[in-house]
Amino acid sequence: DTAVSQTPKYLVTQMGNDKSIKCEQNLGHDTMYWYKQDSKKFLKIMFSYNNKELIINETVPNRFSPKSPDKAHLNLHINSLELGDSAVYFCASSQGAGNNEKLFFGSGTQLSVL
Amino acid sequence: AQKVTQAQTEISVVEKEDVTLDCVYETRDTTYYLFWYKQPPSGELVFLIRRNSFDEQNEISGRYSWNFQKSTSSFNFTITASQVVDSAVYFCAPSAAGNKLTFGGGTRVLVKP
Repeated sequence: DTAVSQTPKYLVTQMGNDKSIKCEQNLGHDTMYWYKQDSKKFLKIMFSYNNKELIINETVPNRFSPKSPDKAHLNLHINSLELGDSAVYFCASSQGAGNNEKLFFGSGTQLSVL
Repeated sequence: AQKVTQAQTEISVVEKEDVTLDCVYETRDTTYYLFWYKQPPSGELVFLIRRNSFDEQNEISGRYSWNFQKSTSSFNFTITASQVVDSAVYFCAPSAAGNKLTFGGGTRVLVKP
């Protein structure tokens, strides 16, 4: 069983489209995250939810909207996709939101905007 | 805001050699945790080690060891007797409130047989 699963693994789309990436964790964790990794491998946090409540919201364009229907799911919806959105998006979870918690990552979604 | 510098972008070694990865960080927090994560060619990020800021003991876990020096804000990581499977990108990351990790740019390790 995959602990943190995200779908799709690859997403190729045209500029201006709207797309969603889904993430589910079966670890019983309270906290979930979205990270973005650019082509130079820089990883940056985008959002974090704890018990379905938003606790971290970095300076991300409001075209990106996370949604957490329950603790086990954190989906990422992106409106009006731009070329610069091309990256690998990682979902992750941790037991809680304490700064000692280790993260469990999904396998990533490679988004290519043409 | 936190900042992390991993000055080595790529390290190439021959199997069985030791590899030490440097990490220097900046943080305004007085207590914090430091992490190392590994990203193998398959792409998934994997937790390796965690260290709190109030205990400067150096530790060893299997082939991994780490050297934390709070006075110089360094958190170096060593792989002893490297193996081909250790080939990956390694990320250093201090954590802040809300478990917000600030990742360094990563060091790519290539272990040749």
